[in-house]
Amino acid sequence: GAVVSQHPSWVICKSGTSVKIECRSLDFQATTMFWYRQFPKQSLMLMATSNEGSKATYEQGVEKDKFLINHASLTLSTLTVTSAHPEDSSFYICSGLPPGLATRGTDTQYFGPGTRLTVL
Amino acid sequence: DAKTTQPTSMDCAEGRAANLPCNHSTISGNEYVYWYRQIHSQGPQYIIHGLKNNETNEMASLIITEDRKSSTLILPHATLRDTAVYYCIVTLTDKLIFGTGTRLQVFP
Repeated sequence: GAVVSQHPSWVICKSGTSVKIECRSLDFQATTMFWYRQFPKQSLMLMATSNEGSKATYEQGVEKDKFLINHASLTLSTLTVTSAHPEDSSFYICSGLPPGLATRGTDTQYFGPGTRLTVL
Repeated sequence: DAKTTQPTSMDCAEGRAANLPCNHSTISGNEYVYWYRQIHSQGPQYIIHGLKNNETNEMASLIITEDRKSSTLILPHATLRDTAVYYCIVTLTDKLIFGTGTRLQVFP
């Protein structure tokens, strides 16, 4: 399957600072990338959908000014957690969607390994 | 997207087949059934997907009932490395909405 990487794999920061997480599709071009958040012992929660060259679409309840998403190229999307607070501590996971055929069901999301953010 | 219901947890002996059920009684005609799994502290891994017909790949088989209201993921010979949370997702779009999944524990 296709490979998606994330950097860093883990990060610890002080409250009030901003943290940038990178998501790269290594062997395919991802016209669409997704960002998820997962709290301990909970399921993944979709935060936003980002399409290359356009603004991200955020899910209800996700603050777009706090979680800045940039998808400037077909292989890179970044998530910046601005003014991070302890409640933002979580496991952040991205996925990339290769440009598939027109028929739904022939394309599949490939997930990165995740980034664990701890805000002190 | 249709809602799915999965058992919270299941156990399976190593070497045996693991059969993971999923109920999606409100599925619409164009919605696909996807299965992903997540091993602890890793990103989800795609397993298989289908629309109406049963599907098989190198990882698993997917059996979808004729009325499409339920499906079963089959891992033919479970290994300890198959211990994970398995998610059944029904979707019409590119967005995947994860439920709580089934925690499969494979024991020696």
